[in-house]
Parts: sequence; structure tokens; C-alpha cells
Amino acid sequence: GDSVTQTEGLVTLTKGLPVMLNCTYQTTYSPFLFWYVQHLNEAPKLLLKSSTDNKRTEHQGFYATLHKSSSSFHLQKSSVQLSDSALYFCALSVNNYAQGLTFGLGTRVSVFP
Amino acid sequence: DPKIIQKPKYLVAVTGSEKILICEQYLGHNAMYWYRQSAKKPLEFMFSYSYQKLMDNQTASSRFQPQSSKKNHLDLQITALKPDDSATYFCASSQDWDSSYEQYFGPGTRLTVL
Repeated sequence: GDSVTQTEGLVTLTKGLPVMLNCTYQTTYSPFLFWYVQHLNEAPKLLLKSSTDNKRTEHQGFYATLHKSSSSFHLQKSSVQLSDSALYFCALSVNNYAQGLTFGLGTRVSVFP
Repeated sequence: DPKIIQKPKYLVAVTGSEKILICEQYLGHNAMYWYRQSAKKPLEFMFSYSYQKLMDNQTASSRFQPQSSKKNHLDLQITALKPDDSATYFCASSQDWDSSYEQYFGPGTRLTVL
């Protein structure tokens, strides 16, 4: 079946530093990849989405590029802020019957002053 | 104004009881979903509906039954509750039945089963 792997469970860093969160996926269908961000006690909110191979997508200072050759969709930001502290989920959707999102385990990002 | 309403926000139930989780969306979307988020597990897809028709069911148990009385409503009935059912249940919706449409999530109902 489809799966999403996020290798980092927790990332801690200082404000102003760059961050990269890893996301790889497995599917036999044509993929749509999403990054969702979930702040404490809030609903997940869409951060980025892409289905285009090798095209960078950006939003709110975050960016990611879908690489179908390596089945990856890593999330990056050049300079993190305190407000970026949250749980980040990579999610996969495919054009099959189900349409439900398959989520990774999530990466918690903690940014310190 | 919130576009996806879930009621209640918090719910405490005893083992063996039955509860209904309410979800209403005011985004004009045609597809709705239920997800579950429990400790140390990823968000898990449970059900998907399109135009009030069940499209997919990924829950193993018949104790979980979605109910759609209107296009913008998708409630979740859970019977014979167990402590393992304790989780936050998120309702979501998307404009239409296609993978390219992003899903918007409601604020969740946090269920605790004692």
C-alpha cells in the first residue's frame, strides 16, 4: 500500500537557522504531495502542495520540490522563527478510488531564541 | 467565522457507551472525510464521502459509522466505545472528489474513553 516516511521525530534549532524536514513516499500511482502544519491544539493546516516533478513550490517562507525519481518532497526554510514551532506532516494523495490522505508520523519542530 | 464546525470540542465517555461526533462544513465543498489522531500515531484516514455517498472506508471496525444527513454534514457514530478509541477525531473537506484538491481540517473532537 501507499506510505509516507518522515525520518525525524523531533528537530530542535535556534531562531534564524535553516531547517530541512525529510519526506519520502511510496506509491504505484501518480502522487500528490502535501505538507501540513499543526500548531498545539489546533487543526492541521495546509502549508504546501505539489504534483509537478522537479518544480519548487513556496509558501510563507517554506519551500519544497517534488522529486519523483527519488520519491521525495523535503520541506525547507532558510531562517526559522519562533512561530514555526509546530508539528509538520507530510501527506500523500493518489488518484485512485480512496482519495484519503496518507500521513507520515510527523516531525515536531522546536525553535529556541 | 469557522468554516468547519466540530462538536463537541471535548468528549468523555465510559467504556461500552455510544457517542456521535458532529461535523458541519460551510465551505461549499462536495467531499468530506474523517481522520483520527492518537498518541504516537500519524493521522489515520477513516472515511471519505462525496455528495453524501460513502466512497471509502478504511476502518476495520463496524463500530464506526458515518452519517450524512445533508451534503455539508458528516457525523461519526461510535458504538461500544473502548479505551483504545481515545483520540482526536478530525473532520475534513475538499472542494471535490479529486486528489489535487487540498483538504481543510476542522478543529477536532478530543474523545477520552474511560
